Amino acid sequence: AQSVTQPDIHITVSEGASLELRCNYSYGATPYLFWYVQSPGQGLQLLLKYFSGDTLVQGIKGFEAEFKRSQSSFNLRKPSVHWSDAAEYFCAVGGMEYGNKLVFGAGTILRVKS
Amino acid sequence: GAVVSQHPSRVICKSGTSVKIECRSLDFQATTMFWYRQFPKQSLMLMATSNEGSKATYEQGVEKDKFLINHASLTLSTLTVTSAHPEDSSFYICSARDDPLAGQYFGPGTRLTVL
Repeated sequence: AQSVTQPDIHITVSEGASLELRCNYSYGATPYLFWYVQSPGQGLQLLLKYFSGDTLVQGIKGFEAEFKRSQSSFNLRKPSVHWSDAAEYFCAVGGMEYGNKLVFGAGTILRVKS
Repeated sequence: GAVVSQHPSRVICKSGTSVKIECRSLDFQATTMFWYRQFPKQSLMLMATSNEGSKATYEQGVEKDKFLINHASLTLSTLTVTSAHPEDSSFYICSARDDPLAGQYFGPGTRLTVL
C-alpha cells in the first residue's frame, strides 16, 4: 500500500538550532512531494513542493527540502529555528502513481525551547 | 493567492441533526476539491474527492449517504453531515486545486462537535 513515513512523532530543538524532519515514501518513480505545516486548530499551509528538476527546493519561512530518489526521502530542513516554527509538520506524496491524491504522513510535532 | 475558506469554523449540534460545511476557493477556480477528516493528534484522512459538476468519489469506508458532498460550482463545495452522532465529532478540512501540479490548498478547517 502507498505510505508515507515520518519516523519522528515529536522533535524538540532549541531556538536558533538547525532542524531536520524526516520523510520517506513507499514507492513511485515520479512522486510529487510536499511539506505542509499546521498550527493548532488551523488548516494546513504549504511550505514547499517538488515535482521535478533541482532536487533541493526552497520554500517559505526559510525552509528547504531535498529529494533523494535513492533513499525515497524528502527531508525538510531549516538552518536556524525560530520559536514561531513550533507546529505540526506533515509530509505528503501525490501524483499520478498516487491517483492524483495526497497521501499524508502521520506528522511530526516540533517544539522549540528558548 | 490560492486562498481557501471554510464556513463555519466551529459548529455544535445535537445528535440527529444535519450540519452543512462550506468550502470556497476565493481567488481561483477549483476543478477538484477534497474533504478530509482529522482526529486529535492524527494525520489527515481523505474522505472524498469531488470534481465540479460530477458526483464525489468516496474513499473506502466512508459512508456516502452520511457525508453528502456537492460541488456545484468551480468555487464552492459543501459537505453535509446527515443525522450527526457524537462519533462524527471531528475536525473537517477541505482543500482545493486547479491544477494537479500546483498541489492542494487547504481551508482553515471546521471543528464539529455533536452532543
